[in-house]
Amino acid sequence: DAGVTQSPTHLIKTRGQQVTLRCSPKSGHDTVSWYQQALGQGPQFIFQYYEEEERQRGNFPDRFSGHQFPNYSSELNVNALLLGDSALYLCASSFYGELFFGEGSRLTVL
Amino acid sequence: AQTVTQSQPEMSVQEAETVTLSCTYDTSENNYYLFWYKQPPSRQMILVIRQEAYKQQNATENRFSVNFQKAAKSFSLKISDSQLGDTAMYFCAFMKLHAGGTSYGKLTFGQGTILTVHP
Repeated sequence: DAGVTQSPTHLIKTRGQQVTLRCSPKSGHDTVSWYQQALGQGPQFIFQYYEEEERQRGNFPDRFSGHQFPNYSSELNVNALLLGDSALYLCASSFYGELFFGEGSRLTVL
Repeated sequence: AQTVTQSQPEMSVQEAETVTLSCTYDTSENNYYLFWYKQPPSRQMILVIRQEAYKQQNATENRFSVNFQKAAKSFSLKISDSQLGDTAMYFCAFMKLHAGGTSYGKLTFGQGTILTVHP
């Protein structure tokens, strides 16, 4: 049984560019949440997707947007990248409460 | 809004000994879960233990146990018989439960404690 998978594992972008990160949830899970984890810090909640809709959002600007597909997989898009967007982006899937995390996508913005 | 505080940035322990990691939280909610997660250098966040706020009994999972003091808003993690594989960053996390038990997948994490187990 595959767990939560994320791609790419690492990527480097320059300021002003746009990035798309992808997440496939654990089998049977219908809900996907995204988190940003700066180096040496705890993860911060970005938003959650359920039934292809954004259900709740953390304190992140509109440059951060997402999408959920009918197969429950999800994308996180970040526009107009800033140096401060450099972080590990974690995806978590859940089914009735418990969250299972992927290994993350490490984004470096130069 | 909820806050979670881990006051120990780093801890170390000898193999086979016991260590306790501290966590306090602030909330006005009555219906919530508390978690400890482990994040090794491989980056994947792994659930260690979960505590439901309505349960008075402290949760245990093999060598891991918690001391949940609801009135004091304290939630410490005890690791017994520490092993080299326990070396990781440990995060305390809070999850508010909304009507119907929905969490919206939102965890509020503390700053983390780096635990090093020495041979």
